[in-house]
Amino acid sequence: DVKVTQSSRYLVKRTGEKVFLECVQDMDHENMFWYRQDPGLGLRLIYFSYDVKMKEKGDIPEGYSVSREKKERFSLILESASTNQTSMYLCASRGVVLTEAFFGQGTRLTVV
Amino acid sequence: GENVEQHPSTLSVQEGDSAVIKCTYSDSASNYFPWYKQELGKGPQLIIDIRSNVGEKKDQRIAVTLNKTAKHFSLHITETQPEDSAVYFCAAIALAGTALIFGKGTTLSVSS
Repeated sequence: DVKVTQSSRYLVKRTGEKVFLECVQDMDHENMFWYRQDPGLGLRLIYFSYDVKMKEKGDIPEGYSVSREKKERFSLILESASTNQTSMYLCASRGVVLTEAFFGQGTRLTVV
Repeated sequence: GENVEQHPSTLSVQEGDSAVIKCTYSDSASNYFPWYKQELGKGPQLIIDIRSNVGEKKDQRIAVTLNKTAKHFSLHITETQPEDSAVYFCAAIALAGTALIFGKGTTLSVSS
């Protein structure tokens, strides 16, 4: 059974903290993605990676960075968390060809 | 870049009725159009997809149609059931190496 696993379901952090969201996939996929989901705004792309150590900015990269040191792991980093980064974060992975993207269960982050 | 518009944002139907969700895309190079269903507390899951060389695809009660000329694609659910209640997202992608761009989602409520 294919799987994308996000390290936390719920996370509460303080303003100014550095936050790490981890994502691991077991499908040997080249492409991995981080999306942010907010009511009425749908899924917005933050960053994606098409290979180890490679990254591309999505539509809303400000305030975020990413790391992909190993093929199976893609980390989203909030350098200095702010309250407007309170949201649901979804990780996804996909192979090289145009096929299904698989999503993790999401991390609901609250910044107080 | 690609832009995907999705309508309606909410849809309420009676059990047994049909539901239709429509999307338009902007990039004529897009050639893969998946639909995802997101149930409460879960990540989105693929329910059906269509490629640009196909006009229609059906899977039991779910069908998707694609009009490349008009850059429209639609999801049709027949004989709706309460378990169809969820948020549905359409998406489009032009190249295998880039990310899916999603619509803002449609919240479907099926009442019995």
